[in-house]
Amino acid sequence: SQTIHQWPATLVQPVGSPLSLECTVEGTSNPNLYWYRQAAGRGLQLLFYSVGIGQISSEVPQNLSASRPQDRQFILSSKKLLLSDSGFYLCAWSGLGNYGYTFGSGTRLTVV
Amino acid sequence: AQSVAQPEDQVNVAEGNPLTVKCTYSVSGNPYLFWYVQYPNRGLQFLLKYITGDNLVKGSYGFEAEFNKSQTSFHLKKPSALVSDSALYFCAVRDHQAGTALIFGKGTTLSVSS
Repeated sequence: SQTIHQWPATLVQPVGSPLSLECTVEGTSNPNLYWYRQAAGRGLQLLFYSVGIGQISSEVPQNLSASRPQDRQFILSSKKLLLSDSGFYLCAWSGLGNYGYTFGSGTRLTVV
Repeated sequence: AQSVAQPEDQVNVAEGNPLTVKCTYSVSGNPYLFWYVQYPNRGLQFLLKYITGDNLVKGSYGFEAEFNKSQTSFHLKKPSALVSDSALYFCAVRDHQAGTALIFGKGTTLSVSS
């Protein structure tokens, strides 16, 4: 069966520190991968998507970056966190020709 | 660009009453529409989707949604609300350009009182 793992579940980081959030998918190959951010318990904003290894598209300019070093691994990073980076980060995947989307359990990031 | 609008920040209903959470969309091409639910500090759970076919889509937990092309709407409905339905509900449309990512509305908080 297909599963998606996202970690850590919660993270408290000081301003100016680096960030690395990881997302992995099991049970499928060549998924489309997505990173979303949810601020203040409201709308979901698409940050990055990837349709293949090393292929990253950014939807909004920001302090964050993404990488896909392996087919089923998607990493969200920052060199220096800002207060405004606080939020709930969700990873998701979808398959080619598959109209389903599966979301990870999310990471609550608090920048202090 | 594809987009969805959820005009209500919050919907309040009494337990046992019918509920409707509204969603309208704007897309180029055929719309692929979705509803998700989110409980506090949790990921999103899939409720239902419309890709093609019957305009009335039935989903999880007794929810259904009606696709209305002329009104560009995809409202979520349930005949009899439960207190446990209280959560944040998101409508989404598939963006055929952005890697087929889902583009979400801002969400509607549903509160069901006993």
